[in-house]
Amino acid sequence: QLVESGGGLVKPGGSLRLSCVASGFIFSSYTMNWVRQAPGKGLEWVSSFTSSNFIYYADSLKGRFTISRDNANNSLYLQMNSLRDEDTAVYYCVRGSGGFDPWGQGTLVTVSS
Amino acid sequence: EIVMTQSPATLSVSPGAGATLSCRASQSVNTNLGWYQQKPGQAPRLLIYGASFRATGIPARFSGSGSGTEFTLTISSLQSEDFAVYYCHQYDNWPRTFGQGTKVEIK
Repeated sequence: QLVESGGGLVKPGGSLRLSCVASGFIFSSYTMNWVRQAPGKGLEWVSSFTSSNFIYYADSLKGRFTISRDNANNSLYLQMNSLRDEDTAVYYCVRGSGGFDPWGQGTLVTVSS
Repeated sequence: EIVMTQSPATLSVSPGAGATLSCRASQSVNTNLGWYQQKPGQAPRLLIYGASFRATGIPARFSGSGSGTEFTLTISSLQSEDFAVYYCHQYDNWPRTFGQGTKVEIK
């Protein structure tokens, strides 16, 4: 199971930190991912943190987001800085290096003045 | 970046009929391809991984095929709970990419 938190309303240029707590599997053994979905739009991969400590980001983020993980506490994080209107989306925490499964319920981030 | 293109954008199908959804990759992704189902207000659910392997608990009416750049998701006999949006996803290369989705609606 994956449970996200930390979403909310933030002004353009602001920051937000999302958290995801995992249970029911050996967290440290898996690649973990963030995927987002803007209102009424499709799925967009954001970032991945592999079990071997490799980190990948979508090019569109241009260094504004930072993914991290705490294996001791079965947690994944996404630090989001310099937020823009277009970052408004539901952010999902997802397990997997192949097929993404399972998905958390998502946390809504709204960037608006 | 590998671009995933799904067709059609919308598919109108009668309950009990079959449906075929297509996904094309801009370059080979081998069989590193997944299919997901998403219903309104819900998180996506993995249906197929490795292009043709059903995920745990997925009914046998869902099947996937293809390799390289051309992939297909087939639903053999649509049930009411199958009307949803379906996405393909490649995990062969970074960045990971999704198709834009195919909406399967009731005819």
